[in-house]
Amino acid sequence: NAGVMQNPRHLVRRRGQEARLRCSPMKGHSHVYWYRQLPEEGLKFMVYLQKENIIDESGMPKERFSAEFPKEGPSILRIQQVVRGDSAAYFCASSRAGPKNIQYFGAGTRLSVL
Amino acid sequence: QQQVKQSPQSLIVQKGGISIINCAYENTAFDYFPWYQQFPGKGPALLIAIRPDVSEKKEGRFTISFNKSAKQFSLHIMDSQPGDSATYFCAAQAAGNKLTFGGGTRVLVKP
Repeated sequence: NAGVMQNPRHLVRRRGQEARLRCSPMKGHSHVYWYRQLPEEGLKFMVYLQKENIIDESGMPKERFSAEFPKEGPSILRIQQVVRGDSAAYFCASSRAGPKNIQYFGAGTRLSVL
Repeated sequence: QQQVKQSPQSLIVQKGGISIINCAYENTAFDYFPWYQQFPGKGPALLIAIRPDVSEKKEGRFTISFNKSAKQFSLHIMDSQPGDSATYFCAAQAAGNKLTFGGGTRVLVKP
């Protein structure tokens, strides 16, 4: 029973390039969350999605960042025109539908911007 | 605005000792308080969680104490083992499902 799958595990981009991070939720989970972890800091909520819907994007930067969770396929976090400050670990979590269900985390994607 | 404050940032404990991590929150809408354990290079994994209608929850060597009036909660790791060396995050959740995390505590258990 596979857990939350994130890929790639490591991603290196030069300033100005685009980064695409993918997340496949656990089987039976229809909710996906993205969190960002800067070095030596806790995780910060970015966005909460259900299939084809963004439920809460209150933690997303206003520019360059977008997220989607299509009907078919993984959830995608997209960062356009990356800057050095985007270097961080990005974690995806998934849960079953309904309130207060346990969020299970993937191993994360570590983005390095050169 | 840091809504969940966690302390200490790091702690060293001898094998067999007790590790204590404290968290305080501001938002009275929070009604679910999980603790996550994270090993280097891995994602956080749920360790134990509590709701504010109970003051204490114990699972094996891990205990959460909760003080609703003080808006504080803590994790106690009894009989700490080297394998417990990890970073621990407290978190809080209100309606809407997003988790608000504390800054983390790096625990090192010395053999």
